[in-house]
Amino acid sequence: QVQLQESGPGLVKPSQTLSLTCTVSGGSISSGGYYWSWIRQHPGKGLEWIGYIYYSGSTYYNPSLKSRVTISVDTSKNQFSLKLSSVTAADTAVYYCARAPDHNAFDIWGQGTMVTVSS
Amino acid sequence: AIRMTQSPSSLSASTGDRVTITCRASQGISSYLAWYQQKPGKAPKLLIYAASTLQSGVPSRFSGSGSGTDFTLTISCLQSEDFATYYCQQYYSYLLTFGGGTKVEIK
Repeated sequence: QVQLQESGPGLVKPSQTLSLTCTVSGGSISSGGYYWSWIRQHPGKGLEWIGYIYYSGSTYYNPSLKSRVTISVDTSKNQFSLKLSSVTAADTAVYYCARAPDHNAFDIWGQGTMVTVSS
Repeated sequence: AIRMTQSPSSLSASTGDRVTITCRASQGISSYLAWYQQKPGKAPKLLIYAASTLQSGVPSRFSGSGSGTDFTLTISCLQSEDFATYYCQQYYSYLLTFGGGTKVEIK
């Protein structure tokens, strides 16, 4: 079955760019029909959707983060990625990648990766 | 953005109890609502989508209802493995939003 796995640095310095990758296994991003999202959860808090990408490359971002977020897809590697620029301590969170069928709920999630912003 | 408000934020219950969690949307979202269960250190797990459709493999003691702005998640007979935090999420709008969560604790 389809599985998602996040990867990337667990520690990022303030003002730098956070970069994470989600590798999809057991299915192909380029087969279409799904939106691939990034979601984060601040320690002890609720869930915040960051944005999504379709296999074609079309994206939609949360307006609250839009100026700092870029989500891209590499269909040849079956991966999609998150870049969040100018990070501060407020960006410390667990970051999840997730899949949603067109206009539907998130049916598959990665295990999540903790990212700490600190000097 | 559509605001999702869950209540209560936490509750204490015993195994075997019937538990009800509510979720209210700040505007009508038809039935574009999902419920997730999250255990400590784990990713959320989809329980219900389209307000009332049980995700494959989810026990039938979980059920969802509602449409428009008011929704309910019910656990008919609480089991030990159900102690967790539950989130609602709307996908009516392209700007996806979650409720603040309801923590179900052991009484």
